[in-house]
Amino acid sequence: DAGITQSPRHKVTETGTPVTLRCHQTENHRYMYWYRQDPGHGLRLIHYSYGVKDTDKGEVSDGYSVSRSKTEDFLLTLESATSSQTSVYFCAIRGTGSSGNTIYFGEGSWLTVV
Amino acid sequence: KQEVTQIPAALSVPEGENLVLNCSFTDSAIYNLQWFRQDPGKGLTSLLLIQSSQREQTSGRLNASLDKSSGRSTLYIAASQPGDSATYLCAVEMDSSYKLIFGSGTRLLVRP
Repeated sequence: DAGITQSPRHKVTETGTPVTLRCHQTENHRYMYWYRQDPGHGLRLIHYSYGVKDTDKGEVSDGYSVSRSKTEDFLLTLESATSSQTSVYFCAIRGTGSSGNTIYFGEGSWLTVV
Repeated sequence: KQEVTQIPAALSVPEGENLVLNCSFTDSAIYNLQWFRQDPGKGLTSLLLIQSSQREQTSGRLNASLDKSSGRSTLYIAASQPGDSATYLCAVEMDSSYKLIFGSGTRLLVRP
């Protein structure tokens, strides 16, 4: 258990509203990631962070922004939610030390945009 | 652009069978390869990680091999059990990018 908590776990929101998903980790890992998982597409990287205030875009970053003001929290914001952003969102962290390079995932956040 | 393919997309086997799941990738300049398990409605759990310099890794009934030159990895599950039923995903990490590229997964059902 890498101590990853995602919130909310389930959310239904309306088109055009902003939504923020939170990923919280308890073990001071440097690298954190946001993925989305969709049928037929597998997992795709949205954004990732390699330290406080250090973030970069992934494969499907349009319509998403992220922030990392503290080591333990990585926030994903849908600036104006669209139906195409209905998905399952997973946060992940990269292990260090003896578990270096192993990726640990959170339990997921199910988002429905209606 | 790296592409990761997993075949078959779904597999149903009787309990006790040994089975092989396949993963192929188009760019052999990988940093490492990981195999994950995902149960319905859950996150991913890392099973095995193979560094680019390694040929295989083993954990219990699981054995993963890596052939970088041919762009292939296999996950071997010995003496399958109903509890092995899940989706298995492989992912490659490119040199120094720290970003994983996933295949679409193989959905495995082990029948009692």
